[in-house]
Amino acid sequence: DQQVKQNSPSLSVQEGRISILNCDYTNSMFDYFLWYKKYPAEGPTFLISISSIKDKNEDGRFTVFLNKSAKHLSLHIVPSQPGDSAVYFCAASILNAGGTSYGKLTFGQGTILTVHP
Amino acid sequence: GAGVSQSPRYKVAKRGQDVALRCDPISGHVSLFWYQQALGQGPEFLTYFQNEAQLDKSGLPSDRFFAERPEGSVSTLKIQRTQQEDSAVYLCASSPRTDTGTREQYFGPGTRLTVT
Repeated sequence: DQQVKQNSPSLSVQEGRISILNCDYTNSMFDYFLWYKKYPAEGPTFLISISSIKDKNEDGRFTVFLNKSAKHLSLHIVPSQPGDSAVYFCAASILNAGGTSYGKLTFGQGTILTVHP
Repeated sequence: GAGVSQSPRYKVAKRGQDVALRCDPISGHVSLFWYQQALGQGPEFLTYFQNEAQLDKSGLPSDRFFAERPEGSVSTLKIQRTQQEDSAVYLCASSPRTDTGTREQYFGPGTRLTVT
């Protein structure tokens, strides 16, 4: 059962335009969400995160939106740059019932973003 | 400062061989995670250490997989009697602490294991 889904395997965008990457989740216990970017032969690099008590978090060109009722989050990149071309992973974590969290991440399958000059 | 490092970066093993994958986390990071990433998929959780204690090994696919972090810093993931389905990238990640609001994990470059 895939608890975090990225339904678009790929996205192609023109430089300077907006890139919107989407992610859906099924487990309502998830309370923290993260986006990672991955270049070939490198490990994932943390981009931005959002707690479930918020609906928006912004960091420079990157904004993450969370819609808890729809169990949906999205990453907006404005303006897109060719260097943004990479695989983007959505991830989620859960605070366990004991009240302590060790932050195990559940990842989506990834979306390949290509930004054309 | 130095990030998470992993060695070897690439490993080819014949089916049935044992392998050991090493992870050096960021100095001072309490939490250490191992993930397995199959081709075209997202990383999947294998196991978690808080200092030297292995608190969760629910993601280890079989008893052929074993992980340790004896002194609370470097960790080793060992796979015994490797099978072709073990072929994947093995990622290590560390985090300063995860019982607070920020839960970002910092990943190493991974070890690509190919079992022939």
